[in-house]
This record gives sequence, C-alpha cells and structure tokens, in this order.
Amino acid sequence: GAVVSQHPSRVICKSGTSVKIECRSLDFQATTMFWYRQFPKQSLMLMATSNEGSKATYEQGVEKDKFLINHASLTLSTLTVTSAHPEDSSFYICSASKGYYGYTFGSGTRLTVV
Amino acid sequence: AQTVTQSQPEMSVQEAETVTLSCTYDTSENNYYLFWYKQPPSRQMILVIRQEAYKQQNATENRFSVNFQKAAKSFSLKISDSQLGDTAMYFCASSFSGNTPLVFGKGTRLSVIA
Repeated sequence: GAVVSQHPSRVICKSGTSVKIECRSLDFQATTMFWYRQFPKQSLMLMATSNEGSKATYEQGVEKDKFLINHASLTLSTLTVTSAHPEDSSFYICSASKGYYGYTFGSGTRLTVV
Repeated sequence: AQTVTQSQPEMSVQEAETVTLSCTYDTSENNYYLFWYKQPPSRQMILVIRQEAYKQQNATENRFSVNFQKAAKSFSLKISDSQLGDTAMYFCASSFSGNTPLVFGKGTRLSVIA
C-alpha cells in the first residue's frame, strides 16, 4: 500500500507557458503533501507543504505566484509552474504523509523549459 | 530547526562487502524520526529504513541496519553483503512527525563494484 502516482514523468514546454504536475495518493488519504525540487546531483529542496482544503505553506525564497499549489481533495495535489522559464527546469518530486507510518514519494517529474 | 549532515559525498564498496554511511543531525526536539532513503538512477525515492528516536533498539531491515546514537546525534547506515543493485544515492533525513516535512542531508553516492 501507500502508492503516490505523479504525472507527467517528463514534460518539455516553451518558455512563458504553464505546466501542471499532479500527485495522487492511490490507496490512502493524504492530508498533507510536500513538494520538493531537486537539481542534478543535489539533495531534495522543500518548496512547499500542502494541506487539503487550505493554502499551501511555501518555504522562504519560493515564489508562490510562480509555483501554484492546490490540494483540493484528500487524494490529489497539483503544482503548476506558471510562465515557466529555462531556470525552472528541474526535477520535481511530491511526497505524501501517512502520519506515523512515514512518507511515500511520487516518481518525480523532469521539467525542461526551452 | 533541524539539520542533517552527511559528510561522505561518495563511497564505493566491493560486492558482498559491508559499508557504513555516516549521518549526523541536530534537533532540539525530544521526539523525532530518522530515515534513510535510497535514490537509484530512476530517481524514485525508496525508503530503506526508519527509526523512532524514542526507541533505543537499532532498526534493521534485512541487509540494512542502523547505528543510532541519540546522545551523539548520529544515525549511520550499515549495508551488509552489498549488491550491485545497492548502487544509488543515499539520503539521511529527519522529521518531527508524519505531518512535518522531511529534512534531507546532501546525500552519499554509493557505488558497488563487481
């Protein structure tokens, strides 16, 4: 159990367009989801914490108007990169909390902005 | 605030040998959780082992075990009988609870050599 499905796995978009990344908890209700960004050969950097039915909490330095997070249901959280630019190219990973039982990660999305 | 430090950027081990990855952390909390995650080339984050800080007994999962030294704030991972499939990035992480984000170390790249 505890599967998180993340889509798309890869996306290429043109500069100035928006991209939406979805994370779904398939077999449990995720009241809290976390969004991370990972640059090549580096660690995961927390971008924001998303709670179902409320506004996301963004980490310092993360532009909330550029990285829109919506957690409208207990099984779905989305990250929309708005007006994407080449510097937004990165690997984005979501993680859902199962409380005491720990964390489950999506398979990640490789975003390339051209 | 929590911090996690992994001081070994890269390590290598011969197949079937044993290797230990180091991790230290800093926290002011009495209750917290510690994790080791594996990230293979696919970049899927895979939980290797977890430890609750209030438990004195070291966690074990098959070939993986930890040496948890609470007073020293140390949480090392021992991999026994190393296999080629163990080649990956290994991240040490901590959290206060299941609803707070994981704080990751910078990672250790482990190569298992045939």
